Amino acid sequence: EAQVTQNPRYLITVTGKKLTVTCSQNMNHEYMSWYRQDPGLGLRQIYYSMNVEVTDKGDVPEGYKVSRKEKRNFPLILESPSPNQTSLYFCASSSSETVNNEQFFGPGTRLTVL
Amino acid sequence: QKEVEQNSGPLSVPEGAIASLNCTYSDRGSQSFFWYRQYSGKSPELIMFIYSNGDKEDGRFTAQLNKASQYVSLLIRDSQPSDSATYLCAVNVVRGSTLGRLYFGRGTQLTVWP
Repeated sequence: EAQVTQNPRYLITVTGKKLTVTCSQNMNHEYMSWYRQDPGLGLRQIYYSMNVEVTDKGDVPEGYKVSRKEKRNFPLILESPSPNQTSLYFCASSSSETVNNEQFFGPGTRLTVL
Repeated sequence: QKEVEQNSGPLSVPEGAIASLNCTYSDRGSQSFFWYRQYSGKSPELIMFIYSNGDKEDGRFTAQLNKASQYVSLLIRDSQPSDSATYLCAVNVVRGSTLGRLYFGRGTQLTVWP
């Protein structure tokens, strides 16, 4: 089944404790992206990657890191989480062959930073 | 700069009625346009995309695009209670990169009451 998976789905942590949210897709997509969704603010892009070893900042990159060492994986790293990073996070992927950048979303990770 | 604006809602319609969702965008370089449906706590699910002026129909859904007015809409005919969700408008803007970037509106919450 073609899908984007994220782990963990739910995470409660404390300020300053480094964490990684994994994202993996099995569709051989070149493009992957991370979004956060907050009430009243909609989906905002954190980072995106056009292909292996190619990443770029989105609209809200502060406090986040990413890497793209393999085509299928695009982990999101929070080196020192803070309460304002409490949010619902989505990973998405798309293929350069679609032209229109139709993105497929993972199930989401709900993060709470205390 | 706000890229994508949606009528904030919430929108409430009776079962069987037509629900009309609207979206405007600011970047004339926008090339493709998407409507995603998102149930509470779930990931966005693509329901329609359009990239040419005019109407595009898929079952009970019709997307309408007017590039001159920078306006895209979604009509849902014969609305059902199962259509109750938040609808996200997304616009793909190509600026140099091959695939472009998706910008999302904040969403319109639709409730269809029986």
